[in-house]
Amino acid sequence: NAGVTQTPKFQVLKTGQSMTLQCAQDMNHEYMSWYRQDPGMGLRLIHYSVGAGITDQGEVPNGYNVSRSTTEDFPLRLLSAAPSQTSVYFCASMHLSSYEQYFGPGTRLTVT
Amino acid sequence: DAKTTQPNSMESNEEEPVHLPCNHSTISGTDYIHWYRQLPSQGPEYVIHGLTSNVNNRMASLAIAEDRKSSTLILHRATLRDAAVYYCILLNSGGSNYKLTFGKGTLLTVNP
Repeated sequence: NAGVTQTPKFQVLKTGQSMTLQCAQDMNHEYMSWYRQDPGMGLRLIHYSVGAGITDQGEVPNGYNVSRSTTEDFPLRLLSAAPSQTSVYFCASMHLSSYEQYFGPGTRLTVT
Repeated sequence: DAKTTQPNSMESNEEEPVHLPCNHSTISGTDYIHWYRQLPSQGPEYVIHGLTSNVNNRMASLAIAEDRKSSTLILHRATLRDAAVYYCILLNSGGSNYKLTFGKGTLLTVNP
């Protein structure tokens, strides 16, 4: 199993550009989520999904869109990047019955 | 969300046991106690979780006080690879978003 994979590892964007952060898992997990981690702070939940076709907002959803067309993939789209979105983004997945969340290696995003 | 309190940092020597404390005096009856850790430049990693009884797995043990207002994560023989930030998190089993609220955690330093 590859576990949870994220691409790209690093990305630099200019203000106003859009991009998609990719997340995939091969463990057939129903639940997937996106977090952001700012320097010196804990992770904050952006969006989550409890199954294909179902998404919902987390704690800090503004400026981000998600979709879940398959069980495996959960891309995060930045609509119009802002410097405040400079952060490290982590994707996670979990079997709903287990409570054990598996995190990807992260994408480090810088918006200038 | 119920809050947890952890020491900012702790130090241990390699191959010695480590006891990482966590206070959660406002825990509710349906809150599970979770522990995650984050190694430098990596995503968080699940360690262990429990509700009322003590739990053991291949990574660690979780000792939960009888009144559930505190818990202790026990690493039986610390290795250099265990140097990380350890997060104690309460997760309500009745919630629908499975949000993990990461605080500042405890930075564990392991001396060779």
